[in-house]
Amino acid sequence: EAQVTQNPRYLITVTGKKLTVTCSQNMNHEYMSWYRQDPGLGLRQIYYSMNVEVTDKGDVPEGYKVSRKEKRNFPLILESPSPNQTSLYFCASRDFHEQYFGPGTRLTVT
Amino acid sequence: EDQVTQSPEALRLQEGESSSLNCSYTVSGLRGLFWYRQDPGKGPEFLFTLYSAGEEKEKERLKATLTKKESFLHITAPKPEDSATYLCAVRNRDDKIIFGKGTRLHILP
Repeated sequence: EAQVTQNPRYLITVTGKKLTVTCSQNMNHEYMSWYRQDPGLGLRQIYYSMNVEVTDKGDVPEGYKVSRKEKRNFPLILESPSPNQTSLYFCASRDFHEQYFGPGTRLTVT
Repeated sequence: EDQVTQSPEALRLQEGESSSLNCSYTVSGLRGLFWYRQDPGKGPEFLFTLYSAGEEKEKERLKATLTKKESFLHITAPKPEDSATYLCAVRNRDDKIIFGKGTRLHILP
């Protein structure tokens, strides 16, 4: 079954404590993205990767890092989380025709 | 600047009451328009991709159409399980995908 998985699904943390959200896809897609979704603001792209070792900033990259060492994995790293990064995060992977989203990670930073 | 505007923001319908959701766009070199369904707290679920004006696609009670400036998602005889947020997105010539803010659809039994 084609799918994008994310872990953890829920995370409560404190300001400044480094965290990583993992993302994996089994569709051999080259293009992967991270989005955050906030009420009234919709989906906003954080970072994207067009292939292994190729990453680029999206619309809201500040405070985030990513890496793409393998085709299937695209982790999102928050080196020093702050309360304004409390949000619902989605990983996605796509080919030319369709984009598949993961189930989401709800992050709360206190 | 490329942008996507969806209307209405929210829509309440009685079961069986057909209607349409609108997605207006301005984009540099459209390379596809996408419709997604999103249930609360879950990831968007892909519905359709449309590529050129005049194209139509159907799935169960949903039908998507495309013109040069907008797309419509027609919902025929909706059921309560069709309640969700429907997202529209476009891909531009730089391969970037831009999302609208969605239409929250509520079908009353």
